Parts: sequence; C-alpha cells; structure tokens
Amino acid sequence: NAGVTQTPKFQVLKTGQSMTLQCAQDMNHNSMYWYRQDPGMGLRLIYYSASEGTTDKGEVPNGYNVSRLNKREFSLRLESAAPSQTSVYFCASSVSGKETQYFGPGTRLLVL
Amino acid sequence: GQQLNQSPQSMFIQEGEDVSMNCTSSSIFNTWLWYKQDPGEGPVLLIALYKAGELTSNGRLTAQFGITRKDSFLNISASIPSDVGIYFCAGQLGETSGSRLTFGEGTQLTVNP
Repeated sequence: NAGVTQTPKFQVLKTGQSMTLQCAQDMNHNSMYWYRQDPGMGLRLIYYSASEGTTDKGEVPNGYNVSRLNKREFSLRLESAAPSQTSVYFCASSVSGKETQYFGPGTRLLVL
Repeated sequence: GQQLNQSPQSMFIQEGEDVSMNCTSSSIFNTWLWYKQDPGEGPVLLIALYKAGELTSNGRLTAQFGITRKDSFLNISASIPSDVGIYFCAGQLGETSGSRLTFGEGTQLTVNP
C-alpha cells in the first residue's frame, strides 16, 4: 500500500494563476482532509470530506475549493492564487469511526 | 474556535536526556493524539489517547490524557539523534466520521549527539 499520495511535490505559481493539488489514498478510508501548514501555526484544516459525495469547510476555507472525486481521491483547487497561500499543503485520510489520520508527504507551494 | 497551546516551542537537548512537552486547551477533547513530523515529510502518528487519565507508552515515548480532558503531555526518555523533528499534539472532540482535529503549534526538538 502506498498510503496517502500527493502530487505535485513542489509548485511555483504567479499571483492569479490557478492550480489543483491532487490527493489519493489506497486504504479504503471514508474521510479525507486538506490542511495547510505555516511556520509557528501548526496545521490548519482547510476542507474535509466525511464520506464520498460530501465536503465541508474547515478553519481556513477562503480561496480554496475541493472535489471528492471518488472514495480514493480528494483534490484541492486554488482558482486565483495569492501570496498568502504560500504554504505546505497536507492531505490526510481516516477510517470512519476510528479517527487516526494518516498524512501524505505534502505539497510545497510558493506563490509569487 | 478551539485552541491548543503547546509548549515549549523548541528544545535543544543532549543525547540521552529525557524530554517533556505538553498541550493545554480551553476546551475539552475526547481524544488526544501526538504526531511527529520529520523534515520534508508529513506528520506520523506516535500515540493516541482515548480516555481521561489514560497513560500509554510506545517504546521510549509515554503520553498521558489529562484528567480534566483539557491537557496532555508527551515524554521521551533517553533521547537519540533520530528523535529530532517537530512534535504536534492534536485534540479531537467527536468520534464520528470527519470529526476535526485541532493541532497545537508544534515543539521543535533538536538532539545534540
């Protein structure tokens, strides 16, 4: 099992450009999450999907959209990137009812 | 929203020393988790605590779920260089699918050989 995988690993964008961060898990988990990590601020939840077909806002959803494409895949889209979205983005997944979250390796995004 | 205060923010210790870090919250949590993040990697779960007062060990790591359900601590005994990394506490309210984690700000641990 690969666990949670994320693509790309690194990305540089110009202000106003759009991009989609991809996440996939092969553990048959129901719930998936997107976090951003900024220095000195821990991890903050952007959006989550409790199960296939549902998505909900987290703590910092502004400027982002998500799609739960199927049970395996949960993508995060930046429609018009801003420098404030420079961060490291982590995807995670967990089994319904047993909330140990498993994290992917992260995507490092720089918005110029 | 809920906030977790994690301390200390950073620690510089000698190999072989014991380490202690803790998290406190203004809110009650039903689950406390401790993660470690190596440079360039995602967080990895170290210990999960599900019951107030619970004390759980994982090798040289020991963590406790505070009786008030508003705090937790993590101890590392006899530290080694590979213990270097950022340690995060996380609290969780519910047990239902999609229940959110609230993370502390992290403790950066440096171990000098």
